[in-house]
Amino acid sequence: GAGVSQSPSNKVTEKGKDVELRCDPISGHTALYWYRQSLGQGLEFLIYFQGNSAPDKSGLPSDRFSAERTGGSVSTLTIQRTQQEDSAVYLCATGGNQPQHFGDGTRLSIL
Amino acid sequence: DQQVKQNSPSLSVQEGRISILNCDYTNSMFDYFLWYKKYPAEGPTFLISISSIKDKNEDGRFTVFLNKSAKHLSLHIVPSQPGDSAVYFCAASGVGRGSRLTFGEGTQLTVNP
Repeated sequence: GAGVSQSPSNKVTEKGKDVELRCDPISGHTALYWYRQSLGQGLEFLIYFQGNSAPDKSGLPSDRFSAERTGGSVSTLTIQRTQQEDSAVYLCATGGNQPQHFGDGTRLSIL
Repeated sequence: DQQVKQNSPSLSVQEGRISILNCDYTNSMFDYFLWYKKYPAEGPTFLISISSIKDKNEDGRFTVFLNKSAKHLSLHIVPSQPGDSAVYFCAASGVGRGSRLTFGEGTQLTVNP
């Protein structure tokens, strides 16, 4: 929605594998966020990028999670050695100011 | 520690009537509040927001009320339409650019024709 594109839309993988999720933000939006929504839960903040500043990684649940944003545009969220509790919808959002515009998410299923 | 809570997981109303969705928060540092609507398999869509300096903000059929002393906000939809059926999330943030949002668990609204 609102021009934020995420890929893949669905990802099924075996426990222990690494996965990479991609977010293409709205052009010109300097702020980029990753959230995740587990089944029956609200959205949980993961990480925030703002321009060239150091990212706010305070929401990442473990060191298996990392994210980067290249050239202030595309962002990738990487989960190493996936666990079943990583199963969730991972949402990317962008915005120069509030409010934030969300993509449709990547549904990640860990078998 | 759930700083933003939506205590009603679901709400059912008749088409044409008012829908009232409630949200409570505990963090007094929150000063900006938003409501999002989410359809299945789609990302949340921004609906309406309110700053803590106001107690009401209206946009068409949607009105958000903020009671700071009670740390409570509500979203009123009137008249409700079947297309309003979705999950509604309230969210809160602190002051400043890029403040991350803290979300409630969501309320599933069903509007019956």
